Amino acid sequence: GEDVEQSLFLSVREGDSSVINCTYTDSSSTYLYWYKQEPGAGLQLLTYIFSNMDMKQDQRLTVLLNKKDKHLSLRIADTQTGDSAIYFCAERESSASKIIFGSGTRLSIRP
Amino acid sequence: SAVISQKPSRDICQRGTSLTIQCQVDSQVTMMFWYRQQPGQSLTLIATANQGSEATYESGFVIDKFPISRPNLTFSTLTVSNMSPEDSSIYLCSVESTDYEQYFGPGTRLTVT
Repeated sequence: GEDVEQSLFLSVREGDSSVINCTYTDSSSTYLYWYKQEPGAGLQLLTYIFSNMDMKQDQRLTVLLNKKDKHLSLRIADTQTGDSAIYFCAERESSASKIIFGSGTRLSIRP
Repeated sequence: SAVISQKPSRDICQRGTSLTIQCQVDSQVTMMFWYRQQPGQSLTLIATANQGSEATYESGFVIDKFPISRPNLTFSTLTVSNMSPEDSSIYLCSVESTDYEQYFGPGTRLTVT
């Protein structure tokens, strides 16, 4: 079945860029999403990209999609302490509205 | 975007009892979903709540355990029945907007003792 994979942890220095990577298996995915979950909170939709796009930029966030390799990344420029959270990659099945989530990457910021 | 509220925000329940979680959206939406997030885990889709018909359940989830209602386009309930400690999780409602953005409610944190 469909699968979405992410590394579990990432530690970056404050002010540096963070790059969170994700791979997925469903080649017919239509939309790919990035969600942020802060401790004790729900999921916040950060950004998403349609599968016919290579890149999407929104302020400090840049999403890159390599459809051939089924690889998605989220780059956060000038990482701040408020960016500490778990980041979930997710894909939308082409045949339904069902979203498949990755395991989440815990981003920690060091001074 | 959509604004989603859930009630209750958290509860502690005894095993063998049932809890009904409510999800309210501030606009009419076609697609509503219920997810479970077990401690330290990712999200798993329980079912799609269909307005006017029975919910569509994912593999591993059954209607007797997780009955769902969807009386209109802005409201849904999920009941966790005959609870056991393994049901301790965060339960999240989500909706899909017309442009394929999916938004989540704040979640209901359930602890079963």
